[in-house]
Amino acid sequence: QSALTQPASVSGSPGQSITISCTGTSSDVGYYDYVSWYQQHPGKAPKLMVYEVYNRPLGASDRFFGSKSGNTASLTISGLQAGDEADYYCSSFTSSNTLVFGGGTKLTVL
Amino acid sequence: QEQLVESGGGVVQAGRSLRLSCAASGFTFSSSPVHWVRQAPVKGLEWVAFISDDGANTFYADSVQGRFTISRDNSNNTLYLHMHSLRPEDTAVYYCARTARYCAGDCYDLWGQGTLVTVSS
Repeated sequence: QSALTQPASVSGSPGQSITISCTGTSSDVGYYDYVSWYQQHPGKAPKLMVYEVYNRPLGASDRFFGSKSGNTASLTISGLQAGDEADYYCSSFTSSNTLVFGGGTKLTVL
Repeated sequence: QEQLVESGGGVVQAGRSLRLSCAASGFTFSSSPVHWVRQAPVKGLEWVAFISDDGANTFYADSVQGRFTISRDNSNNTLYLHMHSLRPEDTAVYYCARTARYCAGDCYDLWGQGTLVTVSS
């Protein structure tokens, strides 16, 4: 159950787009289309932003877009806003009926 | 209002046991699979355990298998995590989280505020 690999940090200016990658294996990210993305502000619980690779829950911004190719999933945030500054985590259901998270990516809005 | 509220955290010596609770309200708890997820200080999220809506099925992370037990009391809308043989590396904020109805592969649409467990050596 090794953690999925995410970049430690990404940054962008307001209005720009950024992409966060999430790399796993053929037993997790590559096995199912069950990748989710969470946003976590300091001291708060995580918030679901994308599920099943590209679906957005009700209320989530359409500026958040998920995708996947092989063992790597990605989250793209367009039109960056100051409120997007947070930590982002990917997760994937695995072939062992467990769940694995990525190590997290700190997004800085310059 | 849908809500999950954890309790039971605190400071405990290594090797001892602790029981966490998660009280659910505002939704049909007995129809909801739920999980425990933890976050060590200044670290990332780590999935800990899962229990199905009826309690018949449970799964655990390798790091806690054999030491932690997840259970639920649907009559009292409460989820539990029984933690034994605690280690310093179990120090974390423990969250309970609900699997979203629309999610086939376990995504969480409702989280508690978390309860901090500190294991001293």
